[in-house]
Amino acid sequence: GESVGLHLPTLSVQEGDNSIINCAYSNSASDYFIWYKQESGKGPQFIIDIRSNMDKRQGQRVTVLLNKTVKHLSLQIAATQPGDSAVYFCAENTGGSYIPTFGRGTSLIVHP
Amino acid sequence: ETGVTQSPTHLIKTRGQQVTLRCSSQSGHNTVSWYQQALGQGPQFIFQYYREEENGRGNFPPRFSGLQFPNYSSELNVNALELDDSALYLCASTETGEDTQYFGPGTRLTVL
Repeated sequence: GESVGLHLPTLSVQEGDNSIINCAYSNSASDYFIWYKQESGKGPQFIIDIRSNMDKRQGQRVTVLLNKTVKHLSLQIAATQPGDSAVYFCAENTGGSYIPTFGRGTSLIVHP
Repeated sequence: ETGVTQSPTHLIKTRGQQVTLRCSSQSGHNTVSWYQQALGQGPQFIFQYYREEENGRGNFPPRFSGLQFPNYSSELNVNALELDDSALYLCASTETGEDTQYFGPGTRLTVL
């Protein structure tokens, strides 16, 4: 499969650890943010989203934190599993047009 | 499974040729977006269609064009292929009234 992890920031963790993936976004007018997971050879898969009127949102094993003051977004994955190994992208969207701008991505490697 | 399919999976073309990539999305998903993803990068927005009309365009030249059909299928056409057009091409669909984009698996285009 393709290696979308080339030249990307990489986070290596042990199975069972908690993972934190960070993202700095660029547009202070962005009001909707999404995290995607992309496995090798596949398209991006929606994980969780958050709107700018919130600073935290939780899903199943995942939490997204938004700090608008410093334009920072993070994705926390609890009890990381080998199946979580992938490239993770944050995307920001402005004004309801739904044309998101993707960040560069972080490669997460989970060691059994 | 996102319900979004793309064809072909892989394609090899030579510089100067033309290519058509296809996408099929779910019923009710009236918005379709196309992205180009170079190796090690995040997806870059090409254009978006809503109800068969172009609804937004990224920083891509006119030789990138598209069509959307009433049966929730769409096409991306690229004329006068260049070596730098080698990438993974993704389509994503959105249900009317929703924000979540569902991505297909992509078409890997190689230009020689």
